[in-house]
Amino acid sequence: DARVTQTPRHKVTEMGQEVTMRCQPILGHNTVFWYRQTMMQGLELLAYFRNRAPLDDSGMPKDRFSAEMPDATLATLKIQPSEPRDSAVYFCASGLVPDGRGSNQPQHFGDGTRLSIL
Amino acid sequence: GQQVMQIPQYQHVQEGEDFTTYCNSSTTLSNIQWYKQRPGGHPVFLIQLVKSGEVKKQKRLTFQFGEAKKNSSLHITATQTTDVGTYFCAGRGNTGKLIFGQGTTLQVKP
Repeated sequence: DARVTQTPRHKVTEMGQEVTMRCQPILGHNTVFWYRQTMMQGLELLAYFRNRAPLDDSGMPKDRFSAEMPDATLATLKIQPSEPRDSAVYFCASGLVPDGRGSNQPQHFGDGTRLSIL
Repeated sequence: GQQVMQIPQYQHVQEGEDFTTYCNSSTTLSNIQWYKQRPGGHPVFLIQLVKSGEVKKQKRLTFQFGEAKKNSSLHITATQTTDVGTYFCAGRGNTGKLIFGQGTTLQVKP
């Protein structure tokens, strides 16, 4: 079964440190999403890419977060410097949008990175 | 901006009882998707509804899309312990973005 792969699965670090989370989307999918999940805020969309181009990152704090897709098989989400309020589960999801517009296709989620900032 | 509200936030039921979660959007949706997240897991796609008034069934799960395409519901008949988890609706509006509701967490007592 094809699946989205995220690394690391868990990360504990001290505030001020740089955190990098990686995602390998399902081969052939052209859309990648980054979500953050917390008890208080639920599932929040941080950013998404189509054909490796960033389409929307309005949900992402710009001063410390950055998202990139160096190639079609890798998406990264970086936090620098990290803060305790960044503690959450970060999910990557991928999907296929055949016609380049809003699609009816489902999103396939990875297992997430559980991030704790002390 | 577009908002998707889901109620209730939590539901505890006895095994065998029915369960329903409701999803309401502030704007008309082009489609709505439902996902299930088991405790400690990740959201998994269940189904998508596109047409006004559409009803789809998956075994004991019944999904409905409202006539105005602004609300949806998921009904589980005769819950089982394997139904435990959080159920999310996600609506796609005219921006093309998929907006997730807050989810309804279902607990089932055996």
